[in-house]
Amino acid sequence: AQSVTQPDIHITVSEGASLELRCNYSYGATPYLFWYVQSPGQGLQLLLKYFSGDTLVQGIKGFEAEFKRSQSSFNLRKPSVHWSDAAEYFCAVGALSGGSYIPTFGRGTSLIVHP
Amino acid sequence: GAVVSQHPSRVICKSGTSVKIECRSLDFQATTMFWYRQFPKQSLMLMATSNEGSKATYEQGVEKDKFLINHASLTLSTLTVTSAHPEDSSFYICSARTQGVRTQYFGPGTRLLVL
Repeated sequence: AQSVTQPDIHITVSEGASLELRCNYSYGATPYLFWYVQSPGQGLQLLLKYFSGDTLVQGIKGFEAEFKRSQSSFNLRKPSVHWSDAAEYFCAVGALSGGSYIPTFGRGTSLIVHP
Repeated sequence: GAVVSQHPSRVICKSGTSVKIECRSLDFQATTMFWYRQFPKQSLMLMATSNEGSKATYEQGVEKDKFLINHASLTLSTLTVTSAHPEDSSFYICSARTQGVRTQYFGPGTRLLVL
């Protein structure tokens, strides 16, 4: 079974600083990888996804993520954080098992942005 | 595109009553829908997966007689919390995907409070 680890529960950055949120996964084959963002009391919005091909993927709101197979990682980055980026970020793995699609989420990383 | 709605956005009910939550895909056919439960400051816990026209597949530990899921059409799935108790209070989120597409799109969530 696949699993997702987001080692940082909270990350605090200053507005304008760069950001990297860590995500490690465990899965036997090439997984489908996702990053979602959740604002308080809201559903999840897809930031970006990786299925195959170029390991550096661009997403919405200026986010990007890099798939590193050797490290089983899919870290999310943004060069300059805005106050509106403060939210909960979830890394997820989607895997096919017996013809079914099984999604697994990390526990989330809360991003706090200081002015 | 790929919009998922949920209704109601929040509901308060008395202990012992049943509550129905609707999840609709507005602009695509949702061959598969997922129901999640999220506790405060925690990740999403997958409750069940439902394929249109089939019985839902429940995750281990989720009571299928308490959380009734119906996915009768390609645009609508419902979750009914039967005989709700205060411990069922939570944030319930649905997501949907269409066959052949690996990305799931999330609804905005429903806040359930059982008094």
